[in-house]
Amino acid sequence: SQQGEEDPQALSIQEGENATMNCSYKTSINNLQWYRQNSGRGLVHLILIRSNEREKHSGRLRVTLDTSKKSSSLLITASRAADTASYFCATHPNGGQNFVFGPGTRLSVLP
Amino acid sequence: DGGITQSPKYLFRKEGQNVTLSCEQNLNHDAMYWYRQDPGQGLRLIYYSQIVNDFQKGDIAEGYSVSREKKESFPLTVTSAQKNPTAFYLCASRSAGYSNQPQHFGDGTRLSIL
Repeated sequence: SQQGEEDPQALSIQEGENATMNCSYKTSINNLQWYRQNSGRGLVHLILIRSNEREKHSGRLRVTLDTSKKSSSLLITASRAADTASYFCATHPNGGQNFVFGPGTRLSVLP
Repeated sequence: DGGITQSPKYLFRKEGQNVTLSCEQNLNHDAMYWYRQDPGQGLRLIYYSQIVNDFQKGDIAEGYSVSREKKESFPLTVTSAQKNPTAFYLCASRSAGYSNQPQHFGDGTRLSIL
């Protein structure tokens, strides 16, 4: 089964609302990263959180990490139509060489 | 600006044909990766390379081949042995040896069967 699993699979909200996406993983990690993918495009890195960090902020993004529960959340505040995209978490397992991506959350922000 | 260039954007393959997807980066990254993405799904690792003239199989390498003759280039060949090649292919690169570094992605190649 996949290392990272995002939840929900799809999310639809109104502009101005907050969007929360969750990611669960199975093994211990060095770090966890969140990426955004617009339709038909490549992934764009949003934010990285190390295993010894609990929370990070970047603009309207807030990421939390709970290593005891092996989970992370991405909060986008005051969402905009331009935030419409798929969001993926990627984990870097301890001792591993590569990242493992979850299936993603499709976010739709309605104007 | 530095980045990753994938070409072509769209590619069509006939039965029994090998096709090659190009990936070039000018970020001076040591590590490069090829992923396959199927509709509504996450990324699956096909091959990766940490250094020139060396590469490793990922989770779904069967039916694919790669080469890494230059640091900047990591082409992927989809061979006729890959029976279900229709997918979106993404190339990425990263500074090797630093796990706390993000991957940088190209804009993908969409491969379809004729």
